[in-house]
Amino acid sequence: DAMVIQNPRYQVTQFGKPVTLSCSQTLNHNVMYWYQQKSSQAPKLLFHYYDKDFNNEADTPDNFQSRRPNTSFCFLDIRSPGLGDAAMYLCATSRELATYNEQFFGPGTRLTVL
Amino acid sequence: QQQVKQSPQSLIVQKGGISIINCAYENTAFDYFPWYQQFPGKGPALLIAIRPDVSEKKEGRFTISFNKSAKQFSLHIMDSQPGDSATYFCAATGNAGNMLTFGGGTRLMVKP
Repeated sequence: DAMVIQNPRYQVTQFGKPVTLSCSQTLNHNVMYWYQQKSSQAPKLLFHYYDKDFNNEADTPDNFQSRRPNTSFCFLDIRSPGLGDAAMYLCATSRELATYNEQFFGPGTRLTVL
Repeated sequence: QQQVKQSPQSLIVQKGGISIINCAYENTAFDYFPWYQQFPGKGPALLIAIRPDVSEKKEGRFTISFNKSAKQFSLHIMDSQPGDSATYFCAATGNAGNMLTFGGGTRLMVKP
C-alpha cells in the first residue's frame, strides 16, 4: 500500500509560471518534509512541518512556499520557477522530530522548467 | 560545508563480490547514521541504520561498520547482486532533531 504519495509524478512548467506539487500520506505522521534533489546530488531539505508548525531552512529561497492544510496533505508552491529549479522534489514523513524516527520518502515529482 | 563525506562517487562490482562504501563525518553531535538506497525515478528508502553505541550492525547481506573515534562508518554489501544496483546515500542526524545530513551519494553498478 502506498504510504507517501506524490502528484503529479512529472510536471512541466514554463519559466516564471507558478506550480504546485502535492504530497499526501496515509501514515498519520506528525512531520512532513520537502526536499529538492538535483541530478546526481543528495536530497537537500527545503522545509518541514511539525503538525502545523512550519520550519524553513535558512538557505531555502523565498520562491519556495509550503502549505499543510491537514495532517495528510502538504503542498509545495514554487511562485516563479526558474531554470535552476528543475529537479526532483521529494516529500517525506516521520512520526516525530526526534532522532531515530525513520523518514519515509515518496516517489518524487520530477519538475521540468521550459 | 559538507558535514558528511562519502566515497567513492561510483562503484562497479561483479556479481557475488563485496561492495564497500565509506562515509566520514565531522559533527560529533551526530548520533544516528542511516543508509538510504535509491533506485532511478524513486525516492530514497531506508536500508539499514546504526547508533554509535555499537560498532557493527548486520541485516542480511548488508552490514554497517562504525568507528566512533575515527568518525567514520561504512556499508558493506556481501554477495552483491545486479538488483543492488542503485545510488546509496549515507546520512547522519543528531541533536538538531531528525534533520538528515546526507553524504554525496555512491552510484553502485553490479555487473552480472
